Amino acid sequence: AQSVTQPDIHITVSEGASLELRCNYSYGATPYLFWYVQSPGQGLQLLLKYFSGDTLVQGIKGFEAEFKRSQSSFNLRKPSVHWSDAAEYFCAVKRSEYGNKLVFGAGTILRVKS
Amino acid sequence: DSGVTQTPKHLITATGQRVTLRCSPRSGDLSVYWYQQSLDQGLQFLIHYYNGEERAKGNILERFSAQQFPDLHSELNLSSLELGDSALYFCASAGRGNTEAFFGQGTRLTVV
Repeated sequence: AQSVTQPDIHITVSEGASLELRCNYSYGATPYLFWYVQSPGQGLQLLLKYFSGDTLVQGIKGFEAEFKRSQSSFNLRKPSVHWSDAAEYFCAVKRSEYGNKLVFGAGTILRVKS
Repeated sequence: DSGVTQTPKHLITATGQRVTLRCSPRSGDLSVYWYQQSLDQGLQFLIHYYNGEERAKGNILERFSAQQFPDLHSELNLSSLELGDSALYFCASAGRGNTEAFFGQGTRLTVV
């Protein structure tokens, strides 16, 4: 069965500092990986996805993520965090390119201090 | 705005009651997915409908059911509600050939 682990429940960074949110997945075949963001009272917005090809993927809002098969990881990064990035971030995996039955991690709550 | 509309946004009801959550997918999308987000279970897939037919079931309780109508909107019915059913329920839609789904803003259900 697929599973996703986000080891950090909370992360606090200073505005302007860099950010890395960790995600590890467990799935035998090629994973299809996503990062979503959920702001308070909002739905889930897709930041980026990885299906194949270049292992460094660019997303919206200045985010990027790197797929490392050897480490079963798909970490999300941003070089300079803005106060508006404060939200909860979810890593997710699905087993095929089409179809959208997603398995989500527990989420990481990002706090940004000024 | 994802184009997926969920109503109501908030719902407060008593234990033992039944409620219906509604989802209108993006125009032209044939697939509707329902997810539950609770404090203890996190985000979990419940059920998937495609063009009116059930395609996949996840961790959906027997007290819960869903359907998708000819106009492609979907309803999630929750009955004999318990305190533990309090959660945010998301609907997501996807078109044929789409590799990602688009999420609505959710319905927050509080059972008291």
